[in-house]
Amino acid sequence: QVHLVDSGGGVVQPGRSLRLSCAASGFPFNVFGMHWVRQVPGKGVEWVGVINHDGGNILYADSVKGRFTISRDNSRNTLYLQMNSLRGEDTALYYCARDYGVGKYIDYWGQGTLVTVSS
Amino acid sequence: EVVLTQSPATLSLSPGERASLSCRASQSGNNYLAWYQQKPGQAPRLLIYDASTRAPGTPARFSGSGSGTDFTLTISSLEPEDFALYYCQQCTDWRLTFGGGTKVEI
Repeated sequence: QVHLVDSGGGVVQPGRSLRLSCAASGFPFNVFGMHWVRQVPGKGVEWVGVINHDGGNILYADSVKGRFTISRDNSRNTLYLQMNSLRGEDTALYYCARDYGVGKYIDYWGQGTLVTVSS
Repeated sequence: EVVLTQSPATLSLSPGERASLSCRASQSGNNYLAWYQQKPGQAPRLLIYDASTRAPGTPARFSGSGSGTDFTLTISSLEPEDFALYYCQQCTDWRLTFGGGTKVEI
């Protein structure tokens, strides 16, 4: 079955960097687009960005554009989120998620990894 | 940028009652509208997509309707496991937008 495992979260100081990973299994990873979505605990859900199946098309939310970079390694079935110049407002639970419907929805989510930006 | 407004923020009902959740888009675009259910400590789960199509595994008591700017999720008869948070979501050119959520509580 589809399995997405998020990792790499932790506590980081403002202005520093962090890289999240998402290990995928149970489906042909190189066929699906993948999203990153975040959620402040107890708050709503915010889309962070998306990468298409081969990495040729990547889009970001305005709130992270220029600071975050999404990439993927289809040979390792792994999705990445490189987060630079982190701010307090980036504190959230970060989920990787599988695209459904070619850029329309999300059908599977990871368990999330918590990023806390604090001095 | 589309803004999705969900109402009410909280819906207080009893098991067996009917629930109607609203999602209003700031502009009319497409009918690529989804509903997700989220329980504490879990990731959201896709319930409905294309405004009215149930995702695999979604019970028949869940139904979606609407078009244009106004969409509704209806739960015909609440089961104890349905008390949760619900989000609507729309897409535009691969960019996803989520509503603020409606909490259905006992």
